[in-house]
Amino acid sequence: DAGVIQSPRHEVTEMGQEVTLRCKPISGHDYLFWYRQTMMRGLELLIYFNNNVPIDDSGMPEDRFSAKMPNASFSTLKIQPSEPRDSAVYFCASSPSGDSNYGYTFGSGTRLTVV
Amino acid sequence: LAKTTQPISMDSYEGQEVNITCSHNNIATNDYITWYQQFPSQGPRFIIQGYKTKVTNEVASLFIPADRKSSTLSLPRVSLSDTAVYYCLVAPPGFGNEKLTFGTGTRLTIIP
Repeated sequence: DAGVIQSPRHEVTEMGQEVTLRCKPISGHDYLFWYRQTMMRGLELLIYFNNNVPIDDSGMPEDRFSAKMPNASFSTLKIQPSEPRDSAVYFCASSPSGDSNYGYTFGSGTRLTVV
Repeated sequence: LAKTTQPISMDSYEGQEVNITCSHNNIATNDYITWYQQFPSQGPRFIIQGYKTKVTNEVASLFIPADRKSSTLSLPRVSLSDTAVYYCLVAPPGFGNEKLTFGTGTRLTIIP
């Protein structure tokens, strides 16, 4: 298995532009998570899905952020409009349902810079 | 979820055994203790998980005393490639695992 795949690896955009981050979870994993990591706040959970359904989006910072999971193999995190304070590394992770032995598998992240 | 406390940073020389302790005074009966490792420019990676006593795998050992209010991750004979941030998490399996909360972790630096 190729693991959790995120794209792009790096994204530089101007303030006010729309940004879309993409994630392909591991096949067969029922849970998908979006995290954001910054030096100041560490690793924060933004939203997670179970069987493609958003379960908890309480970590989404504001209405400019939205996430979708149209099918079991694809999810997007969109920021519109983007702001410099959104600059961070965004991680996607997936987990098999009810399996506590192996935890989460994270992707390599997308480093977003908003100028 | 139980709150955890770990040292912010640690330094060690190559070849030494490194022990990172995590405090979790409010751990619940059904909570498990899980450690993750994060290298620069990568996502966190699961290392080891335990409930009580001692767990060992090819990467590390996890020591958990009887009261379970703390745990110690032990890395034998570290090398430069073990330089990373190590996170301790406490949560129940199943439902609890669905929302793991990462703290600030311990930044381990291995010195040649």
